[in-house]
Amino acid sequence: GAVVSQHPSRVICKSGTSVKIECRSLDFQATTMFWYRQFPKQSLMLMATSNEGSKATYEQGVEKDKFLINHASLTLSTLTVTSAHPEDSSFYICSAPGLGVDTQYFGPGTRLTVL
Amino acid sequence: QKEVEQDPGPLSVPEGAIVSLNCTYSNSAFQYFMWYRQYSRKGPELLMYTYSSGNKEDGRFTAQVDKSSKYISLFIRDSQPSDSATYLCAMSTVETSGSRLTFGEGTQLTVNP
Repeated sequence: GAVVSQHPSRVICKSGTSVKIECRSLDFQATTMFWYRQFPKQSLMLMATSNEGSKATYEQGVEKDKFLINHASLTLSTLTVTSAHPEDSSFYICSAPGLGVDTQYFGPGTRLTVL
Repeated sequence: QKEVEQDPGPLSVPEGAIVSLNCTYSNSAFQYFMWYRQYSRKGPELLMYTYSSGNKEDGRFTAQVDKSSKYISLFIRDSQPSDSATYLCAMSTVETSGSRLTFGEGTQLTVNP
């Protein structure tokens, strides 16, 4: 099946720094990708929809100036957490829809820890 | 009220048991129903999808949808320790199919050898 990769898989940073997370579709093109955040023992919460060639669409309550999304090509979307704080520590997962209504392929996730 | 409700568990069963996982939903516009399995610190992987009321079987897994009751289930037969994971139900509408998914909270399952 289709594969979505994320890099890095784990990152630890100091408070106030910025962190970039990459999401790549490895064997298919994705004009749309999705970014989720998952806190421990909780479900996935959609943060934003990344659109190739246009601005991302953010969910209510998600600060677009803090979570910068760039969909630079049909296989790459990046999420940059700016001025990270400890409360931003979470598991960030991206996904890309497949060809059918039933398919959405998830990346392996990136665990962010902000000290 | 959440659009999708799922008992978070945890659920612990012996190897070989039949496992029943359930979700209820309130949005009658949901038409596509999926079950994802998520191992610890990994991304979710799609297990099953259905779009009509009734049962769909795939190996040891059976997905069941009852649209009249707004209730979906995932049954795992002959459960194995390797089935230990968190199981998330997910749903979408016709308009958002394949894209915007609404997830349940996830049920943490442990199958003991």
